[in-house]
Amino acid sequence: EPEVTQTPSHQVTQMGQEVILRCVPISNHLYFYWYRQILGQKVEFLVSFYNNEISEKSEIFDDQFSVERPDGSNFTLKIRSTKLEDSAMYFCASSIGLAGRGDEQFFGPGTRLTVL
Amino acid sequence: AQSVAQPEDQVNVAEGNPLTVKCTYSVSGNPYLFWYVQYPNRGLQFLLKYITGDNLVKGSYGFEAEFNKSQTSFHLKKPSALVSDSALYFCAVREPGGYNKLIFGAGTRLAVHP
Repeated sequence: EPEVTQTPSHQVTQMGQEVILRCVPISNHLYFYWYRQILGQKVEFLVSFYNNEISEKSEIFDDQFSVERPDGSNFTLKIRSTKLEDSAMYFCASSIGLAGRGDEQFFGPGTRLTVL
Repeated sequence: AQSVAQPEDQVNVAEGNPLTVKCTYSVSGNPYLFWYVQYPNRGLQFLLKYITGDNLVKGSYGFEAEFNKSQTSFHLKKPSALVSDSALYFCAVREPGGYNKLIFGAGTRLAVHP
């Protein structure tokens, strides 16, 4: 069964450093997302991406964040200068089609980011 | 603004008994509703969804959920719980016609005891 994969599973970085979290969505999916879950808190939407551009982003997704689909398979989330409060589990997700169809999103296993 | 409430942090059930995990929502228009399950060190796994049609939807692993528009609820149910059902369950809502952003509830930890 196809699945969303994410690397690395755990990333430790120093405050102020740049990190890139990687995701490989399901191959025939057209919509891609990033969510995060701070320990003990809700899963929060960060950004959605379609047709090589951001379709929606949350207030959390400020100028420190960027997303990219550098090739036909990878989808990345970059944090330019990490802060302590960026420590969280980051989930990538993908869905097959248009928003109006109510397609479910398939989530990866997550990358745990620890900022020291 | 869209929101989802899961009023119980934890639900404890004996194996073989029916289980219910509660979810209420607030959204303008007709919502799209989803249930996901998270096992330790795993991502969110899709269980079931309500888009339109029959208020009772069936999903994976014997789970079902009932959409109740008047009570703005979408409770997750299973007739007979298994110990392996023990996990964290998330309800999520999306506004139709817009983008795909999911709004999640805080999650309910289900503990099924032998």
